[in-house]
Amino acid sequence: QVQLVDSGGGLVKPGGSLRLSCAASGFTFSDYYMSWIRQAPGKGLEWVSYISSSGSTTYYADSVKGRFTISRDNAKNSLYLQMNSLRAEDTAVYYCARSGHTNVFDIWGQGTLVTVSS
Amino acid sequence: DIQMTQSPSSLSASVEDRVTITCRASQSIRNYLNWYQQKPGKAPKLLIYAASSLQSGVPSRFSGSGSGTDFTLTISSLQPEDFATYYCQQSYSSPLTFGGGTKVEIK
Repeated sequence: QVQLVDSGGGLVKPGGSLRLSCAASGFTFSDYYMSWIRQAPGKGLEWVSYISSSGSTTYYADSVKGRFTISRDNAKNSLYLQMNSLRAEDTAVYYCARSGHTNVFDIWGQGTLVTVSS
Repeated sequence: DIQMTQSPSSLSASVEDRVTITCRASQSIRNYLNWYQQKPGKAPKLLIYAASSLQSGVPSRFSGSGSGTDFTLTISSLQPEDFATYYCQQSYSSPLTFGGGTKVEIK
């Protein structure tokens, strides 16, 4: 079945780094744009970044620009988010999500929790 | 950036009630408006895309309308499994933005 599985979350100190992964199955991964979306505890949804199907185009929210890098490996059906210079306000559940070029998120991963704390 | 404003932020309703949630964009987004449902501890689920198109597998009691800046999500007869938080999202331009959410609670 169509599925996204998020992994890589954990506890990290402010200023530290973490790499999230999202494994896709059940569909042709290379046909779809992919995004990362996060949700701080008790808060709403915040889109973080997207990457085009080929990986040639990326876009970031201002809140993470210059610190986070989205990438993908279509041969491995995998999406990544490299997070550097982490701050307390980056604490959230991070979801990967599939979309077409219309940026409608039709399939979501289960989420992975990132906690930034000393 | 396009700001999305949902109202109300929460509401209490009974089973079989008709529920309406509104979403307003800070500028015209044509029909590039999507609705999601999220239950506690779970990922969001797509309900409506392009303002009024029902996602496959979503019950027909959910409907969406609107264009330009004003949009509505309607649940025609609220069911026990519909108690959740609902978010709108604009897909007109980047950065993509979500509304603040509407929590639907049991009266």
